[in-house]
Amino acid sequence: NAGVTQTPKFQVLKTGQSMTLQCAQDMNHEYMSWYRQDPGMGLRLIHYSVGAGITDQGEVPNGYNVSRSTTEDFPLRLLSAAPSQTSVYFCASSPVGGDYGYTFGSGTRLTVV
Amino acid sequence: QQPVQSPQAVILREGEDAVINCSSSKALYSVHWYRQKHGEAPVFLMILLKGGEQKGHEKISASFNEKKQQSSLYLTASQLSYSGTYFCGTPSGGSQGNLIFGKGTKLSVKP
Repeated sequence: NAGVTQTPKFQVLKTGQSMTLQCAQDMNHEYMSWYRQDPGMGLRLIHYSVGAGITDQGEVPNGYNVSRSTTEDFPLRLLSAAPSQTSVYFCASSPVGGDYGYTFGSGTRLTVV
Repeated sequence: QQPVQSPQAVILREGEDAVINCSSSKALYSVHWYRQKHGEAPVFLMILLKGGEQKGHEKISASFNEKKQQSSLYLTASQLSYSGTYFCGTPSGGSQGNLIFGKGTKLSVKP
């Protein structure tokens, strides 16, 4: 049981490049979310999904796309990277309802130059 | 709407107690609490549900006041291992899938 796996752990992009941050979970969780973390800003929700085929925008969705074709995978796409997207990105998953919290991946540190 | 946490930072000596507050301008259905150590991912501590009981985890417990739309995290007899940043999270629109976090409270426990 690997939990939530994010790849890559580190990435440097040039302004204007595109890339996909990968997130996979093996716990059969329905809920999956992407957050970005910047100093002093806490964790801000980018996009989330409540099940395969269902996604929605969070607090800061501009410049990012997501899709959820399977329960296990929830990739985050940066369409045209900008320096303002330099951040640490966390993927998280949770079962539906009840007393369940989110399990976070180890994060991807992205630098856009 | 992002929940508001207070204080922003607190410094304690080992064995001292601390309280971290989390409040919202909207009705709360549940409140999550997480702890993040430097350079690591956030880790789930507990969830407080509307109408539920106060919960505890080791010497860390929390309460949920629905009328005041706030939750408080109590750290008793703090240990060095309690150092980190604590986040509360609340579902936006009542959906557990749309969890919005506060900006965090940095807790430093000194020997």
